Amino acid sequence: QVQLLESGPGLVKSSQTLSLMCSVSGASISGGGYYWSWVRQVPGKGLEWIGFIYHTGTTQYNPSLKSRLSILLDTSTNQFSLHLTSVTAADTAVYYCARGGLQQVSPFFFWGRGALVTVSS
Amino acid sequence: DIVMTQSPLSLPVTPGEPASISCRSSQSLLHTNGYIYLDWYLQKPGQSPQLLIYLGSNRASGVPDRFSGSGSGTDFTLRISRVEAEDVGVYFCMQGLHAPLTFGGGTKVEIK
Repeated sequence: QVQLLESGPGLVKSSQTLSLMCSVSGASISGGGYYWSWVRQVPGKGLEWIGFIYHTGTTQYNPSLKSRLSILLDTSTNQFSLHLTSVTAADTAVYYCARGGLQQVSPFFFWGRGALVTVSS
Repeated sequence: DIVMTQSPLSLPVTPGEPASISCRSSQSLLHTNGYIYLDWYLQKPGQSPQLLIYLGSNRASGVPDRFSGSGSGTDFTLRISRVEAEDVGVYFCMQGLHAPLTFGGGTKVEIK
């Protein structure tokens, strides 16, 4: 069974960089043709797709975040990461990592538990 | 971006009764390969979203058969044949045809 677990600071200061890791177990992020995504949810609100990274390292980002966003693979630790620069209060959200299907970005068959990140001034 | 619109926002339901949620997309979600790139998720209170239905009408593994998805083009429906207490939460539709992937605003299902 594939399991994903987000980790990282729960508090980030405004204008700094938000960085989160997603640890994957039960599957190898470097093989198998899967897409690994990040999705966020402002508390009490809807869901926003952030972007994905393919096992080859190819990425695609939501244009609304593209200028501030990087998603990276770390095959040595079987993790992938999210880095969002110049954060503001609008970036306060629960951040989820998720996996799509074989050769498909979606649907998201597997989700992490989510990590709440608060941006403080 | 493809805009996803769900209705209703809130849906009080009676256990044992049927329920349905509507989702409309601003563009057709029918791919040239014949598949409809529309998924349904349920987010139970305090939990991550979980996949219910993918490609319009396919139940995900472990999803009870009281859940069904239908629709074509731009209009989609999630039906629960007989609501159970464990079905409460927020239901989201999502389109996976064009990036950026986009979600509907959600429908909160609660027991009357």
